[in-house]
Amino acid sequence: NAGVTQTPKFQVLKTGQSMTLQCAQDMNHNSMYWYRQDPGMGLRLIYYSASEGTTDKGEVPNGYNVSRLNKREFSLRLESAAPSQTSVYFCASSEEGRSYGYTFGSGTRLTVV
Amino acid sequence: GENVEQHPSTLSVQEGDSAVIKCTYSDSASNYFPWYKQELGKGPQLIIDIRSNVGEKKDQRIAVTLNKTAKHFSLHITETQPEDSAVYFCAASATYKYIFGTGTRLKVLA
Repeated sequence: NAGVTQTPKFQVLKTGQSMTLQCAQDMNHNSMYWYRQDPGMGLRLIYYSASEGTTDKGEVPNGYNVSRLNKREFSLRLESAAPSQTSVYFCASSEEGRSYGYTFGSGTRLTVV
Repeated sequence: GENVEQHPSTLSVQEGDSAVIKCTYSDSASNYFPWYKQELGKGPQLIIDIRSNVGEKKDQRIAVTLNKTAKHFSLHITETQPEDSAVYFCAASATYKYIFGTGTRLKVLA
């Protein structure tokens, strides 16, 4: 099925460990995004890639890095995980431009202990 | 900074009644206003959107209204059904980035 695929779905990390969250879309979208969702906080933008070859910081980028590997793939890396990064992470994609809806993946639930 | 306020945070309605969720945005440059529905354990799904040159848009039982002067927009769901139970998010966009509201948990009581 067409859409946004995220892996893994669940992950438990120890403080200080690193990991990469993977995201791929097959809709030929230009723009891709990483959000985190915390109770009572809604969705907050971590990083985004307006088009292949570009990445920019969002609202809460500290502790994260991203790579736009190609048009399809956009990964999020936690270099040294902290308990404050316990969250549900969503990847999304859209047509390029500011007036298009997002297609979200099903999320990665990350727990840092 | 820019923000979007969403009310109420929780809403319970009887099946068949209407539900209204309201959002207020701060950035006057915003020109695209989508609404997302998130079911338990899933990612948000776009259900309806409106652009700044339109005042109202309807799609079957759901409608969105926009008042640019007051910087308000609202989601209206008529004839609610149990499957409408979910968390609903509004958003406003002035750039590539959305600003999301904090969500409304809608419960439709059978």
